[in-house]
Amino acid sequence: GENVEQHPSTLSVQEGDSAVIKCTYSDSASNYFPWYKQELGKRPQLIIDIRSNVGEKKDQRIAVTLNKTAKHFSLHITETQPEDSAVYFCAASLDTGNTGKLIFGQGTTLQVKP
Amino acid sequence: NAGVTQTPKFQVLKTGQSMTLQCAQDMNHEYMSWYRQDPGMGLRLIHYSVGAGITDQGEVPNGYNVSRSTTEDFPLRLLSAAPSQTSVYFCASSTSPSIGTLHPVSLHFGNGTRLTVT
Repeated sequence: GENVEQHPSTLSVQEGDSAVIKCTYSDSASNYFPWYKQELGKRPQLIIDIRSNVGEKKDQRIAVTLNKTAKHFSLHITETQPEDSAVYFCAASLDTGNTGKLIFGQGTTLQVKP
Repeated sequence: NAGVTQTPKFQVLKTGQSMTLQCAQDMNHEYMSWYRQDPGMGLRLIHYSVGAGITDQGEVPNGYNVSRSTTEDFPLRLLSAAPSQTSVYFCASSTSPSIGTLHPVSLHFGNGTRLTVT
């Protein structure tokens, strides 16, 4: 089955710097790659996603890139702010994510220091 | 519109006890799923359902049962609790994209149930 590896497990940056989180997946048939943000004690929430027919997607300060050949995708956060501090999860899906069947990475704890 | 509602929020069980974690959604979503979250392991899929009467296993189904008798409800049953099932459990729902768009619809998560098995 699909396996998703996420790195790093923790990331600390200064406010205003950029942060990059990387994920690799094992099943080349995966076609949907969302990123979720989970603040302490809260539920995960979708922040950005990308389909396999797109190489890059951007939404204000966050962007996701996908390299299908290498089977990896990355989350980029620019101009980080303290409110970006949270746990970030990448995920992969074999069915465009429609059925809610996602395989998640292990998570990255991002700390943005003021 | 409450979204996805999970009960209870907290639960402590003794080894061998059984219980049911409740999950209900009021968005008429056809897809529902259960995940468990453990430190350093992300969210792992336990069971999922693509519609009433249809369920299937995820990554870590052992020790858990589910049923989907209605579109709204998707309870998760622990038959004989074990300390290894100490975790935070999230229920989620989603639906197919609207006609005319291919963009996937994100998972809507409940607030979670923190379960401790002693």
